[in-house]
Amino acid sequence: EAGVTQSPTHLIKTRGQQVTLRCSPISGHTSVYWYQQALGLGLQFLLWYDEGEERNRGNFPPRFSGRQFPNYSSELNVNALELEDSALYLCASSFDRGGTQYFGPGTRLLVL
Amino acid sequence: RKEVEQDPGPFNVPEGATVAFNCTYSNSASQSFFWYRQDCRKEPKLLMSVYSSGNEDGRFTAQLNRASQYISLLIRDSKLSDSATYLCVVNGWLSVGSQGNLIFGKGTKLSVKP
Repeated sequence: EAGVTQSPTHLIKTRGQQVTLRCSPISGHTSVYWYQQALGLGLQFLLWYDEGEERNRGNFPPRFSGRQFPNYSSELNVNALELEDSALYLCASSFDRGGTQYFGPGTRLLVL
Repeated sequence: RKEVEQDPGPFNVPEGATVAFNCTYSNSASQSFFWYRQDCRKEPKLLMSVYSSGNEDGRFTAQLNRASQYISLLIRDSKLSDSATYLCVVNGWLSVGSQGNLIFGKGTKLSVKP
């Protein structure tokens, strides 16, 4: 069974640009979660989507947004990139709300 | 107080040693508890869920004390391949404002030496 997949694996952007990260959950999973792991910091919760709806968001500014598609895949969009957005962005999925979460390999974003 | 706090580490132990990780969480309404392991520059991988009755998986034993809001992980007969960062994780599922998301400790780095 395929795990959570994410694309791209690496990305380099400059300040002020916009970026879109993609995630495909494990087949049968309906909930998708996004986390940010900045260097030296712990994982921070960004967004949670379930059944196409945003269910919760972490303490991040509105320039972090996303959506979930009918096939349960998801996108994370970050506008007006700042240097401190450089981080590993991890997507996780679970079979149902509050279920065990399994992580994808992440997208490593570098903002110059 | 941080939501999930772990031993600062790092722990450097010889092969075969027994090592214990401790963790406390602040929200008494938390319902689910996990240990994840994260290798350098990789994604976190679920090691085990933690149940009130305690649970064991081979060399790994996890314990939960709800009254003290304390979680532990014991690794016996440690192997070189156990070297990683161990993350204590709480699911804020029933906590207002943290529904559905995982709350991570900062992790404790373990290095097992030959």
